[in-house]
Amino acid sequence: EDQVTQSPEALRLQEGESSSLNCSYTVSGLRGLFWYRQDPGKGPEFLFTLYSAGEEKEKERLKATLTKKESFLHITAPKPEDSATYLCAVQPSNDYKLSFGAGTTVTVRA
Amino acid sequence: SAVISQKPSRDICQRGTSLTIQCQVDSQVTMMFWYRQQPGQSLTLIATANQGSEATYESGFVIDKFPISRPNLTFSTLTVSNMSPEDSSIYLCSVVYQGVNQPQHFGDGTRLSIL
Repeated sequence: EDQVTQSPEALRLQEGESSSLNCSYTVSGLRGLFWYRQDPGKGPEFLFTLYSAGEEKEKERLKATLTKKESFLHITAPKPEDSATYLCAVQPSNDYKLSFGAGTTVTVRA
Repeated sequence: SAVISQKPSRDICQRGTSLTIQCQVDSQVTMMFWYRQQPGQSLTLIATANQGSEATYESGFVIDKFPISRPNLTFSTLTVSNMSPEDSSIYLCSVVYQGVNQPQHFGDGTRLSIL
């Protein structure tokens, strides 16, 4: 069974204080690893897909990286608007379903 | 960008009743899914909505409790039947648009409370 573990559960940052979120996974062959952002009262918003170890994707202050066992979401010089819950999900090579981690809730204080 | 509309956005229901949630997409999609997100928890897949045939349910979810329809490529419904307080949750629809390696996009969910 596919498993996704995210750490930490919660992260409180000062504006401008860079940090990283971790997503560890086990999957029977990886089709893709996905990062989503979820704001309160909203559905998850797609951020990145990573397909193979060594791949990196960037969007504004966010950068996602992938190894064979984990992915990191780096937040560089965060702003209060980066406050959200960040979800990681894996998709196995033999299916289109997503298995989600529990998420990391990031709070950025001005 | 994807436009995925869910109705209702929230509801409060009495135990023992049923509620049907609608998911409407702005263009044809290849796949549609239904998820549940219980308070403070992550997303759990309920089923894959198959066009013109019975949905494919995940372990722990059954058709009698969560009947799903998908009559065409842009619309699906999820019914939560014979509701109990344990069904209080957020129910989310997701879709995959046509194209290679497309991600799932989510609606904003239906917040359901059972009294």
